[in-house]
Amino acid sequence: QVKLVESGGGVVQPGRSLRLSCEASGFTFGDYGMYWVRQGPGKGLEWVALIWFDGSVEKYGDSVRGRFTISRDNSKDTLFLQMDSLRAEDTATYFCARGPYDSSGYYYIDYWGQGVLVTVSS
Amino acid sequence: SYELTQPPSVSVSPGQTARITCSGDALPKKYAYWYQQKSGQAPVLVIYEDNKRPSEIPERFSGYSSGTTATLSITGAQVDDEADYYCCSTDFTGNHWIFGGGTRVTVL
Repeated sequence: QVKLVESGGGVVQPGRSLRLSCEASGFTFGDYGMYWVRQGPGKGLEWVALIWFDGSVEKYGDSVRGRFTISRDNSKDTLFLQMDSLRAEDTATYFCARGPYDSSGYYYIDYWGQGVLVTVSS
Repeated sequence: SYELTQPPSVSVSPGQTARITCSGDALPKKYAYWYQQKSGQAPVLVIYEDNKRPSEIPERFSGYSSGTTATLSITGAQVDDEADYYCCSTDFTGNHWIFGGGTRVTVL
C-alpha cells in the first residue's frame, strides 16, 4: 500500500534552516508528482510546493517562494523540502503527499503522509 | 489572490444529509477535490475531479460542481463522519493550488 513517511522536523530558531525528508514506498515514486502541504496549529491546510514527476518543474506558494526549495531523488524514492530563513509563521505540521495527474492534465493529491512538526521559536 | 470559500461549520443529525459548499471563480474551468481530516490525523481524499469517489470511500459521499460552486454531500451522515472537510482546486493559471478554509461537520 502507499506509504509516505516524513522526517527531519523539530525546533529551530528564526532565520535558521531545516531540511525535511519524505520516504515513499508501495508505488513507483518516479511516476508521480509530489507535494508539500502544511497546517499551522489549529489552522487550515496550506499548499507549500509541488515538484513534477521527473523534477523538471517546481511550483511554490507565495508565502514560501524564494525561501523554500523542493527536490526529489527518484533513485532513493525520497522527497525533500529545504527550508531557509525560517520565520515564526512557518510553524506547522508539514505533510508530504502524492500527486497523480487528473484527466485534464493537472496534478492533485491522493495520498498523504502523517506529517512532521516544525516549530520556529527562539 | 485566488480564494476558495467554505462555510466554517455544518451541523446535522445522524441519518440526515450534510451539504458543504465551496465557492471559487475558477471552478467552472477547474476540478474540485475534497478531503476529510479527523482530529489529529492526516487528510483523506473523499472526492476527486468534482464527483468521482475513490473505491475505499463509502457511497454516502458524493460531489458535484455547477458554475462557481462545488458541493460535497454526505447522505445519511454518521457520527463517524464528524471531521473537518477541505475543498481544493487550482487557480486560473493552474500554477497555484488552493485549499478552502475548511468546514467542521458535526453529527449529533
